[in-house]
Amino acid sequence: NAGVTQTPKFQVLKTGQSMTLQCAQDMNHNSMYWYRQDPGMGLRLIYYSASEGTTDKGEVPNGYNVSRLNKREFSLRLESAAPSQTSVYFCASSDPKVIGARTEAFFGQGTRLTVV
Amino acid sequence: RKEVEQDPGPFNVPEGATVAFNCTYSNSASQSFFWYRQDCRKEPKLLMSVYSSGNEDGRFTAQLNRASQYISLLIRDSKLSDSATYLCVVNCHNDYKLSFGAGTTVTVRA
Repeated sequence: NAGVTQTPKFQVLKTGQSMTLQCAQDMNHNSMYWYRQDPGMGLRLIYYSASEGTTDKGEVPNGYNVSRLNKREFSLRLESAAPSQTSVYFCASSDPKVIGARTEAFFGQGTRLTVV
Repeated sequence: RKEVEQDPGPFNVPEGATVAFNCTYSNSASQSFFWYRQDCRKEPKLLMSVYSSGNEDGRFTAQLNRASQYISLLIRDSKLSDSATYLCVVNCHNDYKLSFGAGTTVTVRA
C-alpha cells in the first residue's frame, strides 16, 4: 500500500549541478503535483499535471522542469541548482473527477534538498 | 497579498484545553476548503474537509464563513498527540490547484 513514493529522501548538491526528483503513485490518480515547502512560506506549487500528457506551471516554476512520464510517474528536474532551491520538496497526487471537486491530495514523504 | 493566510502561532495549550484558530482566503471564487495536518518533518495529511454548514469530526470542528472569507478549526479536549502544524487549504473553482497557508503550529503540553 505504497501511495505516493518519492526518491531520494535526502540530497546535497553543489551549485550548478543537476538532478531529477522522482515521484510515483499507485492510486491511479489523474492529477499530480510538485510543491516546495520553506519555513514561513507554506507549500508553494511548482508545477502540476492535471492529467497524463499535460503539465502546467504553478506559482514558482522558474529553475524547474517536469515530465509526466505516464499516469503513475511525475518527475521534477533541476537543471542548474542554486542555493535558493534549498527546500523540502513534496510530490502529491489526487483524482478530481471535475475541476474544483472536493478530493483529497496524498503526499509523498518529501525530499530534503540542500544546495551548497 | 497571499491567497491563504494563517496565524503562525505557536499556540501552546495544556492538555484538555480548547484551541481555535482561523485562516483567511483572498479569492472569493474559492470552492473547496480543507484542513491538513503536518507533523514535524512529515508530509501533510488530510484532517478534514470544511463544508458550508460547518462540520465536526470527533473533537475537531470546522467552520466556513464565506461573507468574511475565512475558515476556522476548533480542537476540543486537546491531546498531546494533537501537537502539529495545521495547514489551511483552499481550492478555487475551475482550477485543479490547491493553495496552502503557511500553517498554524499547535503545541499541547502535559
